[in-house]
Amino acid sequence: DGGITQSPKYLFRKEGQNVTLSCEQNLNHDAMYWYRQDPGQGLRLIYYSQIVNDFQKGDIAEGYSVSREKKESFPLTVTSAQKNPTAFYLCASLRGYSGANVLTFGAGSRLTVL
Amino acid sequence: AQKVTQAQTEISVVEKEDVTLDCVYETRDTTYYLFWYKQPPSGELVFLIRRNSFDEQNEISGRYSWNFQKSTSSFNFTITASQVVDSAVYFCALSEAQLRSNDYKLSFGAGTTVTVRA
Repeated sequence: DGGITQSPKYLFRKEGQNVTLSCEQNLNHDAMYWYRQDPGQGLRLIYYSQIVNDFQKGDIAEGYSVSREKKESFPLTVTSAQKNPTAFYLCASLRGYSGANVLTFGAGSRLTVL
Repeated sequence: AQKVTQAQTEISVVEKEDVTLDCVYETRDTTYYLFWYKQPPSGELVFLIRRNSFDEQNEISGRYSWNFQKSTSSFNFTITASQVVDSAVYFCALSEAQLRSNDYKLSFGAGTTVTVRA
């Protein structure tokens, strides 16, 4: 079945450590997105990529980095510069570039900083 | 700038009651799309319904129905005869017609947590 796979589902990090969240899709979708979810704040866009080897900052990109070396992969690195990284991270993908198209989401990764 | 407001933070009902979720949006675009997504405890957001700005016809799909009113910029969603499995966080979202590079616009509301008690 086609879909988005995020790993790990749960991750614990010590302060000062970088951590990378994986996102893989086999839907042949063009665009991929990373969202951060905090209680009561909805989904906030971190980074997005509409084509391989190109990506754009979202609303809260500071302290995060991404790469898009392959169409199916869009890993997110949470760096030590991110002041409050404990959150639920969701990866999504989209076929084409129409606003009518529906985002497909992964099951998410929950990051906790100890 | 686009903005989506879900004023209800939490709603708790008893099974078989109807639940209406409010969504108010702001946009300067004339062509746009509105969505409702459901996030069950598993975490993955699931698409429920979509409406474009030119179609204000309200519809019913199974136990789901929606009321889109451009005059009040509202896109409310109703679950009829709620069930325990409807317990989830529900998000309203707004996108413009074209997701142009360097000008991405897809806005989510803060979400409404629905708890259906048996």
